[in-house]
Amino acid sequence: AQTVTQSQPEMSVQEAETVTLSCTYDTSESDYYLFWYKQPPSRQMILVIRQEAYKQQNATENRFSVNFQKAAKSFSLKISDSQLGDAAMYFCAYRSYTSGYALNFGKGTSLLVTP
Amino acid sequence: DTAVSQTPKYLVTQMGNDKSIKCEQNLGHDTMYWYKQDSKKFLKIMFSYNNKELIINETVPNRFSPKSPDKAHLNLHINSLELGDSAVYFCASSLAGGRRWETQYFGPGTRLLVL
Repeated sequence: AQTVTQSQPEMSVQEAETVTLSCTYDTSESDYYLFWYKQPPSRQMILVIRQEAYKQQNATENRFSVNFQKAAKSFSLKISDSQLGDAAMYFCAYRSYTSGYALNFGKGTSLLVTP
Repeated sequence: DTAVSQTPKYLVTQMGNDKSIKCEQNLGHDTMYWYKQDSKKFLKIMFSYNNKELIINETVPNRFSPKSPDKAHLNLHINSLELGDSAVYFCASSLAGGRRWETQYFGPGTRLLVL
């Protein structure tokens, strides 16, 4: 089974600053998809950004962007101009045919945003 | 218009009881999932249904039984509840799993507490 590793249990960033959350994964497949989900205290799971493995171009969504390094099996999330509302748990997830299209999640990174 | 809804949102019950959690989606999706989030926030797939057919059944005790009366509903029934079943249970849905980039939309979660 594919494993997803988030090595930073907690991160802290000041408002308006930039923070990068790391994610690595282990797979022997060439075709897969990667996602970052955000879980605020409300508990709702919210999709932040997704990346198709066959695309070399890094995905961006407003202040959120990824650094996808396929050879290194790395998929980090950069949050620019951090806002108080960005405070949440962030989960990296992997999805492929062999996972039955279910999401394999990392253990999450808790992001604290300070004024 | 709630996309993926779950009832109840909170469930407190005694050990040994039987309980059900209901999930409904109005997105026209044909694949639905149950995930479990434990006390350390780790999310793990339990079951997945595609067009009312079970396609993923992870290593979950037999006391857990999913039921899909139609493709808009996926209910989770739990028999003989144990303390270790206390967790947050998330329902999710997506379009056909063959399109691996499809976003999974999550319900608000059901927090189950077994006393």
